[in-house]
Amino acid sequence: GIQVEQSPPDLILQEGANSTLRCNFSDSVNNLQWFHQNPWGQLINLFYIPSGTKQNGRLSATTVATERYSLLYISSSQTTDSGVYFCAVDNYGQNFVFGPGTRLSVLP
Amino acid sequence: DAGVIQSPRHEVTEMGQEVTLRCKPISGHNSLFWYRQTMMRGLELLIYFNNNVPIDDSGMPEDRFSAKMPNASFSTLKIQPSEPRDSAVYFCASGMGGLHNEQFFGPGTRLTVL
Repeated sequence: GIQVEQSPPDLILQEGANSTLRCNFSDSVNNLQWFHQNPWGQLINLFYIPSGTKQNGRLSATTVATERYSLLYISSSQTTDSGVYFCAVDNYGQNFVFGPGTRLSVLP
Repeated sequence: DAGVIQSPRHEVTEMGQEVTLRCKPISGHNSLFWYRQTMMRGLELLIYFNNNVPIDDSGMPEDRFSAKMPNASFSTLKIQPSEPRDSAVYFCASGMGGLHNEQFFGPGTRLTVL
């Protein structure tokens, strides 16, 4: 099945800094999504982005499907951005596979 | 809207017992998803429904697990018999139009099987 890797596994930032999280996948996909899980466990769907670029406030995402990676950019980070960021993909009807996540800690 | 509602929020049971987890999706949503999260396996999609019909149950781990969606406002995930390795947080999510659209998650049910 498709393999999903995320980097870095852990990231510590000072409030106000920018960051880039990466998601690599081993095969072509027709679905890629980014999720955020806050420190209390709540999951939020950030982006549906199988290709191209999207922006939502301080967050933006870019997927280069031909090169099998996606990037999540967080600008001017805030403490509320802390948590774990997951990407997930599915490969034309095969199961929806999550990456292991990047744990982000934003310090005040 | 109250968001996706899951019950119970916490469940502790003994091995061999039947466990039923419940989910009420956001009104008007036509897709419903069940996920499981463990330290060992991370997040996994177990099954999802479109218009109350199961579309993909390839993530259901074994026959001990079953899910139903008798109507647009209610779904259950049942484990019978439960085993300690089923201990996990189970999330329900709902949305419009399947996996290729935004999903809204419930708070999860933390299941502990002793």
